[in-house]
Amino acid sequence: GAVVSQHPSWVICKSGTSVKIECRSLDFQATTMFWYRQFPKQSLMLMATSNEGSKATYEQGVEKDKFLINHASLTLSTLTVTSAHPEDSSFYICSAGNRDFSYNEQFFGPGTRLTVL
Amino acid sequence: GQNIDQPTEMTATEGAIVQINCTYQTSGFNGLFWYQQHAGEAPTFLSYNVLDGLEEKGRFSSFLSRSKGYSYLLLKELQMKDSASYLCAVMDSNYQLIWGAGTKLIIKP
Repeated sequence: GAVVSQHPSWVICKSGTSVKIECRSLDFQATTMFWYRQFPKQSLMLMATSNEGSKATYEQGVEKDKFLINHASLTLSTLTVTSAHPEDSSFYICSAGNRDFSYNEQFFGPGTRLTVL
Repeated sequence: GQNIDQPTEMTATEGAIVQINCTYQTSGFNGLFWYQQHAGEAPTFLSYNVLDGLEEKGRFSSFLSRSKGYSYLLLKELQMKDSASYLCAVMDSNYQLIWGAGTKLIIKP
């Protein structure tokens, strides 16, 4: 149980275009979803936390107008990278949790590798 | 500020034992997690400690000392597939995960 999927697995786009990444909890209801970014050989960096039905909370330094997050249901959250630039190329990982889980554990999706040309 | 420290890289031999240390300073404490991450993949859960002591799960064990702000992950009978990065993460008082930079473990035959 506790499976999280992400789509797409990888995407290549031109500079200036927008890219949408979907994160789904397949067998549980995710009251909270997290979006991370990871550059090569670096640790995970939390971008934002979203609770179902409310606006996402962004970490300091993350532009909310550039990284649009929508958590419209208990099983789906989306991250849209607007007007992507080469410096946005990274590995984007979502995780999902439920406040009723005993460990407060986050379950991770497989990640989306974004390359902006 | 909040801080998680772990070694950048470690090397060990197949069949041996390795201990990866993690020290932390966070705003509150709601548990410490260890994750394994292979290159190009998302992290996978290994262990969770919220009380002091040792948690054993097969070849992997994790230890916590809250008074010392210290944890370690112990890997026994190392296999080549254990080559990966090992991430230490602490859940703070806001139930937010604070991540260490990860320890890259290299296993040699």
